[in-house]
Amino acid sequence: GENVEQHPSTLSVQEGDSAVIKCTYSDSASNYFPWYKQELGKRPQLIIDIRSNVGEKKDQRIAVTLNKTAKHFSLHITETQPEDSAVYFCAATLISGGYNKLIFGAGTRLAVHP
Amino acid sequence: DAGVTQSPTHLIKTRGQQVTLRCSPKSGHDTVSWYQQALGQGPQFIFQYYEEEERQRGNFPDRFSGHQFPNYSSELNVNALLLGDSALYLCASSDQQAPYSPLHFGNGTRLTVT
Repeated sequence: GENVEQHPSTLSVQEGDSAVIKCTYSDSASNYFPWYKQELGKRPQLIIDIRSNVGEKKDQRIAVTLNKTAKHFSLHITETQPEDSAVYFCAATLISGGYNKLIFGAGTRLAVHP
Repeated sequence: DAGVTQSPTHLIKTRGQQVTLRCSPKSGHDTVSWYQQALGQGPQFIFQYYEEEERQRGNFPDRFSGHQFPNYSSELNVNALLLGDSALYLCASSDQQAPYSPLHFGNGTRLTVT
């Protein structure tokens, strides 16, 4: 069945360092890959997304890369700040005809230490 | 412009009981999806409603059912509650006409089954 694996499960970095989270998906038909940030007790919020026709997308300190051949995609956060501390989830889906069932990874707990 | 609203925020039920959770989508959205998020895990897709019909379903038993109303709001019903049903239940809304637009999540309903 459809599956998304996410690594690492926990990540601890010093403020100013970079953080990288990696995901692998199983359904080669997937064409949309969002990343969500969830702070403790709050709702998941989209931070960046990428479609399958693009290999890389950047938004200020956040970037996502996609390797369709290997079915890998990664989140890169540069110049990390304490407010980046949260749980990050990757997800994958085939968007077709309005259907958009997201398959989520298990999450990465990122801790940024001052 | 109100985002996705869910009620109640917390709920405690006993094994074997039934529960109904409610969701109002973001203004302008017509599609509602429900996700179950167990502690320390990523959200898992339960089902999606559009035009008052269930059109996609995840790997959840028939004890989980739902409904969508003409105003696009939705309910999630769970019968014969099990301890394993304890989780955060998230509602997410989207626009059928803009499938690549991000899912907007509510704050969730935390269900505890004792």
